[in-house]
Amino acid sequence: NAGVTQTPKFRILKIGQSMTLQCTQDMNHNYMYWYRQDPGMGLKLIYYSVGAGITDKGEVPNGYNVSRSTTEDFPLRLELAAPSQTSVYFCASSSDSFSGNTIYFGEGSWLTVV
Amino acid sequence: DAKTTQPPSMDCAEGRAANLPCNHSTISGNEYVYWYRQIHSQGPQYIIHGLKNNETNEMASLIITEDRKSSTLILPHATLRDTAVYYCIVRATNAGKSTFGDGTTLTVKP
Repeated sequence: NAGVTQTPKFRILKIGQSMTLQCTQDMNHNYMYWYRQDPGMGLKLIYYSVGAGITDKGEVPNGYNVSRSTTEDFPLRLELAAPSQTSVYFCASSSDSFSGNTIYFGEGSWLTVV
Repeated sequence: DAKTTQPPSMDCAEGRAANLPCNHSTISGNEYVYWYRQIHSQGPQYIIHGLKNNETNEMASLIITEDRKSSTLILPHATLRDTAVYYCIVRATNAGKSTFGDGTTLTVKP
């Protein structure tokens, strides 16, 4: 089972460049999330989606954009990269089952902005 | 989602039980308590969850107080590989937004 797949795993960006972190899940989950994690810190929610065509801001959305055109994919767009966006990014997904909905995480994408 | 409070760090001797507390005093009736752990910089992994009854699986036990305002994750025989950051979160089954705090860094010592 592939689960949640993120690409790329590592990326170095120059200040002002833009890029898209790709995320896809094969579990037919309605909910998808993007988190960032700075060194030694916890997870911060950037954006989330409860289904195709529906997205909403999390705790730290500034500097990012998302889209959800399909159930499987939830790309995260960084516009005008800044050093403050140097972080590890995790994509995640979960079902909306009423018996509990475990969140499944990808392996992370390490982004450095120089 | 209700907020949770966890101690920033804890130590445990190898082979002993690790008891990790979590306060969630504003939990709602339809919110579950979930525990995840993150080893090094890997993606967090699910451990266990519960609504109001105590739960046990092959990894851990979850004890939820009767008023549901706090819970304890128990790793019965901690090993060095259990050294990780442990996150306690509460979320409803139909909740889209799910936030994590800073978790508890558990260090298991020989």
